[in-house]
Amino acid sequence: GQSLEQPSEVTAVEGAIVQINCTYQTSGFYGLSWYQQHDGGAPTFLSYNALDGLEETGRFSSFLSRSDSYGYLLLQELQMKDSASYFCALPGGDDKIIFGKGTRLHILP
Amino acid sequence: DGGITQSPKYLFRKEGQNVTLSCEQNLNHDAMYWYRQDPGQGLRLIYYSQIVNDFQKGDIAEGYSVSREKKESFPLTVTSAQKNPTAFYLCASIESRTEKLFFGSGTQLSVL
Repeated sequence: GQSLEQPSEVTAVEGAIVQINCTYQTSGFYGLSWYQQHDGGAPTFLSYNALDGLEETGRFSSFLSRSDSYGYLLLQELQMKDSASYFCALPGGDDKIIFGKGTRLHILP
Repeated sequence: DGGITQSPKYLFRKEGQNVTLSCEQNLNHDAMYWYRQDPGQGLRLIYYSQIVNDFQKGDIAEGYSVSREKKESFPLTVTSAQKNPTAFYLCASIESRTEKLFFGSGTQLSVL
């Protein structure tokens, strides 16, 4: 089956950089995605890595290492509005998509 | 504007009652999904559908049913067999080219 592990909470300071890790288990690999969810809202797509390496989108970057079954989301120049939950997600070969339990990011002023 | 529309935003269920959550999309996506989210928890997959008239069970399908009679619509019924239905329900569709999921705004279901 598929499973993902990520830390339940991370705390960082405004203006700093934070990394949220995700390790996964899957029988067939089809990429790793990241989503952001603010309290009471719906998840929104941040990034998708199909191949090893770093994908950059503005202040957010996502990294994947398929050999290590590991990825991370990097948030730079943290802003208070980045306080949210972040989920890694694993697409399956049959369109089944599984999410991790989420990492709650707390940002201190 | 293209997107996913879920209704109602809030729903209350009485004991022994079936309730249906609506999900409509105008993004022309083939695959659609239903997830359940409990407070402080991740998203758990209930059902998904890759194409009209076909759907697959997710990890927590017991007590739920779905239909996919039209590409645009993927309603979820929470049956009386679901003994703990209180949760936030999210519907989504996927853009295959980018593997990007688009979510509706969700339905909060509570038990009276």
